[in-house]
Amino acid sequence: QKEVEQNSGPLSVPEGAIASLNCTYSDRGSQSFFWYRQYSGKSPELIMSIYSNGDKEDGRFTAQLNKASQYVSLLIRDSQPSDSATYLCAVNVNRDDKIIFGKGTRLHILP
Amino acid sequence: DTGVSQDPRHKITKRGQNVTFRCDPISEHNRLYWYRQTLGQGPEFLTYFQNEAQLEKSRLLSDRFSAERPKGSFSTLEIQRTEQGDSAMYLCASSLTIQALQETQYFGPGTRLLVL
Repeated sequence: QKEVEQNSGPLSVPEGAIASLNCTYSDRGSQSFFWYRQYSGKSPELIMSIYSNGDKEDGRFTAQLNKASQYVSLLIRDSQPSDSATYLCAVNVNRDDKIIFGKGTRLHILP
Repeated sequence: DTGVSQDPRHKITKRGQNVTFRCDPISEHNRLYWYRQTLGQGPEFLTYFQNEAQLEKSRLLSDRFSAERPKGSFSTLEIQRTEQGDSAMYLCASSLTIQALQETQYFGPGTRLLVL
């Protein structure tokens, strides 16, 4: 069974600090990696996608991918109260078939 | 609005009844996915279509669940003889996938089902 693992949290981070969210996956053949943000009662919305080893930055968000270690992370700089949400890591399996989601990490930004 | 839409947004039904949900994907997207999400869990894959072809169905999906995408545009998900355990948020997502690399899936607002 292909799996995506995340710490469920909650992760509490002071406003203005860096939030670090981690995800590990089991399928070595995975090529596509996604971070989604989900507010309570809402549907997931894409934050970042990453396909190559290394870092990818978009505004306050940086995704990091290490395929050798099978982990992907999301850094949120200058955390804001509006960043409080559940962050879902998603990884494709069987190459182009579908993506599998982790259970998500609840992030709480402390004002 | 050119995003993914779902209808209805909420559905309350009695155990044993049948329900049908509709999803309209982003118009140029060729792939459409259905997920189920319960509290504290990530979205759980149910099935997906490429154009009108249903390419995969989760082994977790019982025979009471069926999905169609007759013309490669909108899709319907039907649950027959609903059970209380079917209560969940049902999410639809679509993507434009051309190459082997999995492209971004965009989610609709979901249909929240409550089975009494």
